[in-house]
Formats: sequence, structure tokens, C-alpha cells
Amino acid sequence: NAGVTQTPKFRILKIGQSMTLQCTQDMNHNYMYWYRQDPGMGLKLIYYSVGAGITDKGEVPNGYNVSRSTTEDFPLRLELAAPSQTSVYFCASSVRSPIYEQYFGPGTRLTVT
Amino acid sequence: KNEVEQSPQNLTAQEGEFITINCSYSVGISALHWLQQHPGGGIVSLFMLSSGKKKHGRLIATINIQEKHSSLHITASHPRDSAVYICAAGSGGGADGLTFGKGTHLIIQP
Repeated sequence: NAGVTQTPKFRILKIGQSMTLQCTQDMNHNYMYWYRQDPGMGLKLIYYSVGAGITDKGEVPNGYNVSRSTTEDFPLRLELAAPSQTSVYFCASSVRSPIYEQYFGPGTRLTVT
Repeated sequence: KNEVEQSPQNLTAQEGEFITINCSYSVGISALHWLQQHPGGGIVSLFMLSSGKKKHGRLIATINIQEKHSSLHITASHPRDSAVYICAAGSGGGADGLTFGKGTHLIIQP
């Protein structure tokens, strides 16, 4: 199993541009999550999904959108990128609720200038 | 909302030392996670525990539910243990139930 994969690893965006961060897991996990990690701060939940077709907002959803058309894929869309979205983004999955072990992707380092 | 505090924020020790990282949380939980973030950035789950103690190799995690406190211990520390260690508290409620600490940056010097 590849586990959780994310692309791209690095990206530089100009203010106002849009992009999609890709996340795929091959463990047949129902729960998937997008987090952002800012320097000196704990991971913050952006969006999560409990299964295909079901998504919900986390703690910091503004400026982002998600979709979950399949169990495997959970892309994160940034619309109209802003410098405040400069961060490291992690996708994660778990077999059930987050009290179960979470498996993380390698992260995407995004810079908005 | 749960508040998760870790201490120390930074820790530098010599190879072979016994290491303790502490985590406290404000609201009762269903599970406490310990994660390791490597210098390259990847995050790996080390432990998930809801009571007592777990051991994996040189790593030991304990939790005291009454005191809302957990510790991660590393015995016979090695430079390869250098990483950021993160605790996260799971309330067991909705799918967004994990609250993360800011992490402890550990450096083990040879």
C-alpha cells in the first residue's frame, strides 16, 4: 500500500491564483482530513469527510473548498489565493472517527506571494 | 473546545538520556494521540491511547485520565529520535474531534 499520497510537494502561487491540492489514499478509509500547519502552531483542521459525497467544515475553512466523489480521493481547492494561505498542508485518513489512528500524507508546502 | 498544552516547547539532550515530553488537555477525551514529525516534514502516528500505558521499542506513552495528562518517554535516546513530537486529543464526538498541541522540538546530540 502507498498509504496517503499528496501532490504537489511544493508550489508557489501568485495572489489571486487558484489551485487544487490532490490527496489519495489506498487503505479504503472512510474518514479523510485536510489540515494546515503554520510555524509555531498546532495543526488546524480545514475540512473533513466521513465518506464519499459527505464533507464538512473544520476550524479554518475560509478560502478553501473540497469534494469527495470517491472513497480514495479528497482534493482541496484554493480559490483566489492569499498570503495568509501560505502554509504546509497535510492530508490524513483514518478507518473511522479521529479517535482512531490517523495516517498522514507527506505534505504540500505552499507559498503565496 | 479542548485546549492542548505541551511542554517543553524545545528540548536538547545528550545521546543516551531519558526524555520526557508532557501533554495536558482541558476537557475529557476518548483518545490521546502521540505523533512524530520528522525533520523532512512527514508525520507518523506513534501511539493512540485511552488509558494506562503503551510501549513500542524505546518509546513509552502514559496517560492519566483523572489528571488530564499524558507523557511520552524515550529511553536511551539517540540522534535519530530528533524530531517534533505532537500530542493530539480526541473527544470522540464528531469527525473533527482532534485538537493538536503545538509540538515539542527535540534535538538529541551525539
